[in-house]
Amino acid sequence: GQNIDQPTEMTATEGAIVQINCTYQTSGFNGLFWYQQHAGEAPTFLSYNVLDGLEEKGRFSSFLSRSKGYSYLLLKELQMKDSASYLCAVIDSNYQLIWGAGTKLIIKP
Amino acid sequence: DAEITQSPRHKITETGRQVTLACHQTWNHNNMFWYRQDLGHGLRLIHYSYGVQDTNKGEVSDGYSVSRSNTEDLPLTLESAASSQTSVYFCASSESRDGTPYNEQFFGPGTRLTVL
Repeated sequence: GQNIDQPTEMTATEGAIVQINCTYQTSGFNGLFWYQQHAGEAPTFLSYNVLDGLEEKGRFSSFLSRSKGYSYLLLKELQMKDSASYLCAVIDSNYQLIWGAGTKLIIKP
Repeated sequence: DAEITQSPRHKITETGRQVTLACHQTWNHNNMFWYRQDLGHGLRLIHYSYGVQDTNKGEVSDGYSVSRSNTEDLPLTLESAASSQTSVYFCASSESRDGTPYNEQFFGPGTRLTVL
């Protein structure tokens, strides 16, 4: 079956750095997304990786290793507003989008 | 500004009733999707459409139907609501680029449906 694994919950301190991991086992791979979802709101797009390596976008970076079936989202200089769930999603070989259950990130002052 | 809207935002209904959730986007996107989101699960795809008159079943399509008569709207119908369909429903849209419909998806605000 197809599977995406993310930690259920993580806690970090304001101003610090946190890395949220995502591992996937899917039938093929055509890209990986990260979305942010604040409680009670809709998901919003953060990043897209299709090639190996690091993509940096401001305080957020996303890394992909296709050979290891692994990605991470790196959040720097954490702010209270970064408290949210972070969703990893993979496009498989049939161009179906498979979603992980999300990681709830709690930021403490 | 382009947007994607859903209505109603909250709905309470009874088992066995037919319910229709509306989704309207002004992005002029060809691709539209319906998801449900439940605690402990990721977003699960119910139905999707790649254009007018095109509809496809997703992972959890039983008990749901959609129709696409124009670019802007993809209404989701629950034929006979069941308590297991209590959930938060999200509509999303995306444009096709590089031959794939799975580019950045823009999500509506969601509809919280309770089936009693």
